[in-house]
Amino acid sequence: GAGVSQSPSNKVTEKGKDVELRCDPISGHTALYWYRQSLGQGLEFLIYFQGNSAPDKSGLPSDRFSAERTGGSVSTLTIQRTQQEDSAVYLCASSPGTGSTEAFFGQGTRLTVV
Amino acid sequence: SQKIEQNSEALNIQEGKTATLTCNYTNYSPAYLQWYRQDPGRGPVFLLLIRENEKEKRKERLKVTFDTTLKQSLFHITASQPADSATYLCALGSFNKFYFGSGTKLNVKP
Repeated sequence: GAGVSQSPSNKVTEKGKDVELRCDPISGHTALYWYRQSLGQGLEFLIYFQGNSAPDKSGLPSDRFSAERTGGSVSTLTIQRTQQEDSAVYLCASSPGTGSTEAFFGQGTRLTVV
Repeated sequence: SQKIEQNSEALNIQEGKTATLTCNYTNYSPAYLQWYRQDPGRGPVFLLLIRENEKEKRKERLKVTFDTTLKQSLFHITASQPADSATYLCALGSFNKFYFGSGTKLNVKP
């Protein structure tokens, strides 16, 4: 597609359930990022993938959060045993990679844990 | 850890005036700094990037300055228009990994 695509756009889940959020980056982009944005707040870095290198997971808030990127393209962010404080907008971005740091963001997935 | 500060209060200006937004940071030496625009319900959109060895960058009505001694960036929109109303985020980075400030909301009144 022409831009970064995220699905679902909205997700309501019950506390304790697992959720999977999907990100389709721009074709050919080697870098992929996940950020979290709580209401009225800035973007909180979660995880960064660059090509075939080991991902930088330093921003993941707990071991309930994990992410993978298959074939250097699509990425899935998984939150296990969701808590109410996990409610936020989860944003994915991709970038051409080394030499170009402009990031292209998707529309985000609004996660609500009830 | 790094700390990035943007004015949390909204900036209200009159159409045609210059808007100036500030981004201050501590505990970090970024290789570059970016500014993004975010509209409600949308993802951020890239505007400008300035590297640590650059003092100023311009693009149309936008100008960014980067003072690594003061650890500050200023973002200017000249001849502002109501369509410029949005939240503006600064992001500091090194090696393709970057951290965002919380953003400043700009309201341009006609």
